[in-house]
Amino acid sequence: GDSVTQMEGPVTLSEEAFLTINCTYTATGYPSLFWYVQYPGEGLQLLLKATKADDKGSNKGFEATYRKETTSFHLEKGSVQVSDSAVYFCALRGYNQGGKLIFGQGTELSVKP
Amino acid sequence: KAGVTQTPRYLIKTRGQQVTLSCSPISGHRSVSWYQQTPGQGLQFLFEYFSETQRNKGNFPGRFSGRQFSNSRSEMNVSTLELGDSALYLCASWSGRDRSGANVLTFGAGSRLTVL
Repeated sequence: GDSVTQMEGPVTLSEEAFLTINCTYTATGYPSLFWYVQYPGEGLQLLLKATKADDKGSNKGFEATYRKETTSFHLEKGSVQVSDSAVYFCALRGYNQGGKLIFGQGTELSVKP
Repeated sequence: KAGVTQTPRYLIKTRGQQVTLSCSPISGHRSVSWYQQTPGQGLQFLFEYFSETQRNKGNFPGRFSGRQFSNSRSEMNVSTLELGDSALYLCASWSGRDRSGANVLTFGAGSRLTVL
C-alpha cells in the first residue's frame, strides 16, 4: 500500500541555519503531496502542496519539489527562525482518495536563538 | 470564514465507557475525515464521510464509528474504551469534489481523549 517515510527527528538548528527534512513516498499512480505543520497544542496546518511531477510548492519561505524519479518531496528553508519550531508532517493523497491522507511519522524541529 | 470546529477539546473517560466527538466543517465543505494521532502510531486515517455516507474507511476495529448529518456536521463514537484509545482525534474537511487531489484538507484543533 501507499506509504510515506520521513527523516527521524528531533532536528535541532540554530536560527538562520538551512533546513532540509527528507520525505520519500511509495504510491501507485500520481499522488498529490503535502507538507503540514503542527505547533504545540494545535491541529495541523497546511504548509504547502504539489499535485504533479516537478511542481514546486512554496509558502512562508519553505519549498518542496515533487520529484517523481526519486519519489521524494523534501522540505527546505534557507533561514529558519525560532518561530519555525514545530512538528512537520509529509503526506500523500492517492488519486481519487478524497479525504484520506497517508502521513509520515513527523519530524520535530527545534530552532535555538 | 470560520474554520473546522471540534468539541470537546479535552475529555477524560474510564475504560469501558464510550465517547462521542463532534466536528463542524468549514461552511460549504461536504466531506469530513477523522484521524487518530498517537505518539506510537502517528497520524492514522479513521474514516471519511461525504453527503452523509461513509466514503472511505481506515483499518480500525468496529468500536470506532461515525456519522454525518445533513448539515455536514459529523460525529465519531468510540465504544468500550481501552487505554490505547488515548489520543488526539483530528477532524478535517474539504469540498469533497476533486478527483485530482488538488483541494486541501483543513484540520480542526482536535479533541484530546484520555482514557484512565
